[in-house]
Amino acid sequence: GENVEQHPSTLSVQEGDSAVIKCTYSDSASNYFPWYKQELGKRPQLIIDIRSNVGEKKDQRIAVTLNKTAKHFSLHITETQPEDSAVYFCAASTPLLGDMRFGAGTRLTVKP
Amino acid sequence: DVKVTQSSRYLVKRTGEKVFLECVQDMDHENMFWYRQDPGLGLRLIYFSYDVKMKEKGDIPEGYSVSREKKERFSLILESASTNQTSMYLCAIRGTTDTQYFGPGTRLTVL
Repeated sequence: GENVEQHPSTLSVQEGDSAVIKCTYSDSASNYFPWYKQELGKRPQLIIDIRSNVGEKKDQRIAVTLNKTAKHFSLHITETQPEDSAVYFCAASTPLLGDMRFGAGTRLTVKP
Repeated sequence: DVKVTQSSRYLVKRTGEKVFLECVQDMDHENMFWYRQDPGLGLRLIYFSYDVKMKEKGDIPEGYSVSREKKERFSLILESASTNQTSMYLCAIRGTTDTQYFGPGTRLTVL
């Protein structure tokens, strides 16, 4: 089955710096790769996603890149702000039943 | 807006009790999922369902079962709760664009 690995597990940056979180997946049939942000005590919320027919996607300060050949994808956050502090999860899902596998999460801390 | 609700936010049970966690959606989505979330382990898939009365095991189904008698409701059952099932349980539905939307979670403590 699908296995998703995520690095690093914790990341601390200064406000205004960039943050990069990396994930790898194992199942070449996976075709949908979302990123979720989870603030303390809240449910995970989708922040950006990418499909296997696209190499890069950007939404304001957030971008995601996908390398299908290497089976890895990354989240890039530029000009980080304290409110970006949260746990971020990457995930991968296959088209048939939509079952999704998640990485272990990255705790991002943005220091003012 | 997709709405996913869970029956309880906090639950405390004793070892050996039978526990029911319920998830309800307000749309006509076919795919529903149960995860447990533990620190350092992310979200792990327990069971999922792609239609009424249909179910599939996820990665950690041992000690759990599920029921889906109606499309809008997906229940997770702990037949005999154990302390190692103390966790946060999250229900999710698959939207029309493959995105999963989560319920608020149930924090279960088994004493």
